[in-house]
Amino acid sequence: QVQLVQSGAEVKKPGASVKVSCKASGYTFTAYYIHWVRQAPGQGLECLGWINPNSGATIYTHKFQGRVTMTRDTSINTAYMELSRLRSDDTAVYYCARGGTSRQFDYWGQGTLVTVSS
Amino acid sequence: QSVLTQPPSVSGAPGQRVAVSCTGSSSNIGAGYDVHWYQHLPGTAPKLLIYANNNRPSGVPDRFSGSKSGTSASLAITGLQAEDEADYYCQSYDSSLSGSGVFGGGTRLTVL
Repeated sequence: QVQLVQSGAEVKKPGASVKVSCKASGYTFTAYYIHWVRQAPGQGLECLGWINPNSGATIYTHKFQGRVTMTRDTSINTAYMELSRLRSDDTAVYYCARGGTSRQFDYWGQGTLVTVSS
Repeated sequence: QSVLTQPPSVSGAPGQRVAVSCTGSSSNIGAGYDVHWYQHLPGTAPKLLIYANNNRPSGVPDRFSGSKSGTSASLAITGLQAEDEADYYCQSYDSSLSGSGVFGGGTRLTVL
């Protein structure tokens, strides 16, 4: 069965960086995009961008360009999302999700809580 | 402000039908991009409910249905059950943005 397993919760100080991993299993990792979505406390869902695990090509939402970097390691079927220059309003649960054939997000990781606090 | 507009809340009694609207523009829904719907319960990952406007993934009850017309889309839930109380989000893409996905602001469904 398809599974996306994310790394554990992180606590970071303002200005630091965080790197969240997303390990895929149960399907061909390079055949489907991986998207990253976050939800801040009391807020809705927000897309950060996606990566094509086959080519490594990425698309980032305008808001995060310059601060977000998405990478992958095909040898271990794992995608990564790194967010730099963290601010308090980056405190959120970060999800990875698989992009389906209609570009829907058909399978999701369990979420990673990132807390930014001095 | 979200690119896709949803009502903040809807409510209905058990057994009733409710609908959640998702209004976009000519650069997203109206441009022909598919609309997808997700159910989100607190503390859990969002769950895909409807994909490509009106398709249900395996395991999603047929009480859930989706439609799309022009620059808007709608999620309908019939035979409302207490377990349907959750947040619902529409999602699509926008040609005026970078190519990443866009979500509606979310709608909280309350089962009375």
